[in-house]
Amino acid sequence: AAGVIQSPRHLIKEKRETATLKCYPIPRHDTVYWYQQGPGQDPQFLISFYEKMQSDKGSIPDRFSAQQFSDYHSELNMSSLELGDSALYFCASSSGLAGGSPNEQFFGPGTRLTVL
Amino acid sequence: LAKTTQPISMDSYEGQEVNITCSHNNIATNDYITWYQQFPSQGPRFIIQGYKTKVTNEVASLFIPADRKSSTLSLPRVSLSDTAVYYCPQGGSGAGSYQLTFGKGTKLSVIP
Repeated sequence: AAGVIQSPRHLIKEKRETATLKCYPIPRHDTVYWYQQGPGQDPQFLISFYEKMQSDKGSIPDRFSAQQFSDYHSELNMSSLELGDSALYFCASSSGLAGGSPNEQFFGPGTRLTVL
Repeated sequence: LAKTTQPISMDSYEGQEVNITCSHNNIATNDYITWYQQFPSQGPRFIIQGYKTKVTNEVASLFIPADRKSSTLSLPRVSLSDTAVYYCPQGGSGAGSYQLTFGKGTKLSVIP
C-alpha cells in the first residue's frame, strides 16, 4: 500500500540558511500534519492543512511557513535556521472520508534536518 | 491543550503480557483514545483506538473505563521487536483536522 512520502530524507544546512521540506500524502487523503521531534524529545505538532487550507497551528515558529497545494502535497519552509531547529520533521496524513479510525494518522519516514 | 500522562519506562520479558496505562484527565466528550508506537528514527505508527469499554485488534487490546479518565494498552506475549516508545496522544480538533498532542511516552524494553 502507498505510504506518506517525505523528501529529502536528510538535509544539512548552515545557520541562517533556508530549507524546504516536502510531503506527499497517501492518495485520497485530504489532511496533512507536520510534527517536529527534537533529539530525545516527543513529537510536537506544528501545523495542519485540510483541503488545501490551514486548519490548525501548534508550536510553529514565525520563521516557518507551510502550505498545501492543489495536488495535496505540502511543503514546510524554514528560514533563518537556528541550531535548535535540528530535528526530525514528520509529515502525517489522514482522511475522514477514507474510512478507518477517526484519529488514525499515517506518518512518513521523516526528514532529518541538521543545522550546523 | 493538556497532555496525557504515562509511565516513563517499563521492562518486560519476552512472552509476557504488558499493560501500559495512560491518564486522560482532560479528555473531551467526543475524543477517541488512540495509541501509537514509535521505533527510533521512525514516524509514530497507529496501534489501536477506542471510545469506551474494550477494543481488540490483531496486535493489541485497549481497555477504557466508564469515566474515560484513563486507558490501558495491553500487548499480549511481547517479543523483542515490541521494544519501542508507546504514546497515547491527546487529540484536538481544528477545521477539518485532528492534531495529536504527544506527552512523554512509555519506553518499553523487552528483555530476552
